[in-house]
Amino acid sequence: AAGVIQSPRHLIKEKRETATLKCYPIPRHDTVYWYQQGPGQDPQFLISFYEKMQSDKGSIPDRFSAQQFSDYHSELNMSSLELGDSALYFCASSLNSRGSYNEQFFGPGTRLTVL
Amino acid sequence: QKEVEQDPGPLSVPEGAIVSLNCTYSNSAFQYFMWYRQYSRKGPELLMYTYSSGNKEDGRFTAQVDKSSKYISLFIRDSQPSDSATYLCAMSRGGYNKLIFGAGTRLAVHP
Repeated sequence: AAGVIQSPRHLIKEKRETATLKCYPIPRHDTVYWYQQGPGQDPQFLISFYEKMQSDKGSIPDRFSAQQFSDYHSELNMSSLELGDSALYFCASSLNSRGSYNEQFFGPGTRLTVL
Repeated sequence: QKEVEQDPGPLSVPEGAIVSLNCTYSNSAFQYFMWYRQYSRKGPELLMYTYSSGNKEDGRFTAQVDKSSKYISLFIRDSQPSDSATYLCAMSRGGYNKLIFGAGTRLAVHP
């Protein structure tokens, strides 16, 4: 079965550079979530999109922006990178059925290292 | 104080042991309670979810939710070395809402 695809899997950047992370949800899934997991930390919610509209926002820095495109893939853009942005970034997708449980399927993550 | 508290362990048990993993939470609005398993350098994988209070069993795994105490548990019976992973509890207000994770408990099952 198709899973969530994230690219790149690994990314190394210098401080103050920009990075773009991509997420391709499971086919027919309409909702995408982004989470950040620092070393030894629990995943922290950043932002989510439903049908290409932002549906919720968490602790996402102003330096970060994201969007969901017409084909439902999503991109997380990160500018002015800081050392503290080094983390594993997960994308999850779900098929939204309001009123019931929607399992979030996680991708393998993108490991970002900022030097 | 974090909304979800989970003992990070590590927890080391012999093969065949019963494992008990727990989380407490402070937000009474949480309605959905999940347990995820995460292997090293991989994304979290859903093990089980429970809606509101009660028990749910799936093979060797049993999830319990006590909303009155704001306490959830995951029991693993007849633990296997392949169960060695980090177990994350997660909660949400609705079935489609963002997940709030615990810190994760690192479990090692040795032969």
